[in-house]
Amino acid sequence: ETGVTQSPTHLIKTRGQQVTLRCSSQSGHNTVSWYQQALGQGPQFIFQYYREEENGRGNFPPRFSGLQFPNYSSELNVNALELDDSALYLCASSPGRYSGAQYFGPGTRLTVL
Amino acid sequence: EDQVTQSPEALRLQEGESSSLNCSYTVSGLRGLFWYRQDPGKGPEFLFTLYSAGEEKEKERLKATLTKKESFLHITAPKPEDSATYLCAVQVGQAGTALIFGKGTTLSVSS
Repeated sequence: ETGVTQSPTHLIKTRGQQVTLRCSSQSGHNTVSWYQQALGQGPQFIFQYYREEENGRGNFPPRFSGLQFPNYSSELNVNALELDDSALYLCASSPGRYSGAQYFGPGTRLTVL
Repeated sequence: EDQVTQSPEALRLQEGESSSLNCSYTVSGLRGLFWYRQDPGKGPEFLFTLYSAGEEKEKERLKATLTKKESFLHITAPKPEDSATYLCAVQVGQAGTALIFGKGTTLSVSS
């Protein structure tokens, strides 16, 4: 059974640029959630996708957007990058929308200069 | 506002010295409480789910318990490899999707 994978591992961008992060969900999981984790903080919920539809969104501006594909993999897009966007971006998959446990990938470390 | 508070922020133990980590929560409609372990620079690793007060779960040296207001993660005779940040999260509401995390407790176990 393959776990959650994310790419790239690390990324350096400059302020104002755009970035796309990718996630492959665990086999058998149809729900993907994205979280942002700043240094020394717990992960913060960005949004969730269930069967290609957005199924909930946290307190993040519209420049954070996402997609889920028919194979349940997902993308997180961030436009007009700001310095405060520097963080570890985590993807988590779960077997259903309201399924309890979410299983996390290794994350993508984004640095905005 | 739904809130999760973990204490202490950091905990240093000697190998074999048992202790407990606390997670207190104020939420409307708890659907589940989750414990994760996170190693530096990596994603959180799922440990336990607890759904109702009085429930307990065990895995090796770890035991999680749940009351109506808080959860404890008990670590019995810890080893250096138990050193990590332990995160508590709650799922709330009738249509709960998001996990709301605390800031975590960083545990260091020395031999």
